[in-house]
Amino acid sequence: KAGVTQTPRYLIKTRGQQVTLSCSPISGHRSVSWYQQTPGQGLQFLFEYFSETQRNKGNFPGRFSGRQFSNSRSEMNVSTLELGDSALYLCASSLSPGAGASPLHFGNGTRLTVT
Amino acid sequence: EDKVVQSPLSLVVHEGDTVTLNCSYEVTNFRSLLWYKQEKKAPTFLFMLTSSGIEKKSGRLSSILDKKELFSILNITATQTGDSAVYLCAVPHSGNTPLVFGKGTRLSVIA
Repeated sequence: KAGVTQTPRYLIKTRGQQVTLSCSPISGHRSVSWYQQTPGQGLQFLFEYFSETQRNKGNFPGRFSGRQFSNSRSEMNVSTLELGDSALYLCASSLSPGAGASPLHFGNGTRLTVT
Repeated sequence: EDKVVQSPLSLVVHEGDTVTLNCSYEVTNFRSLLWYKQEKKAPTFLFMLTSSGIEKKSGRLSSILDKKELFSILNITATQTGDSAVYLCAVPHSGNTPLVFGKGTRLSVIA
């Protein structure tokens, strides 16, 4: 069974631009979560989607948005990029929403560099 | 505020050593605690511990959960260079909600 697939693997953008990251979950997984990982803050939760609905949202500004499609694939968008948005963005899928019942399985991430 | 604290932050051991990684947590409505291994990119799921499963073992790795004292440990015996990674501990924020991660323990195993 294929794992979580994230595209692209690497992105270099300049301040003020916007970016869209894509995530395809493991087949059969309907819940998708996004995390931002930086050396200083570690892994921080961005959003969680289940059945095309945002179920939870982390403490990030409105420049960060996401959505989920009917095939469970998800995208996240960051507008008006800032230098501090440089990070590894990780997508994870699970069978059911919330991490209390079924573990998250992570993709390899998208490394975003903002210059 | 929910917290997950891991210690030590980093650790260097020689091949063959046994290591113990620590994770303490403070969350409301505890449901589970998860351990992940992150080598380069994707964190890889290791164990999920719950009230009904407080001890897990897989090969040289094992983990226990102490719900009373609010901590978990991850043990790795007979360490190998391939065990070098960042080990992450995480708990759901509250009950069945997204994971709150600790900062991780960076383990380096040298030959």
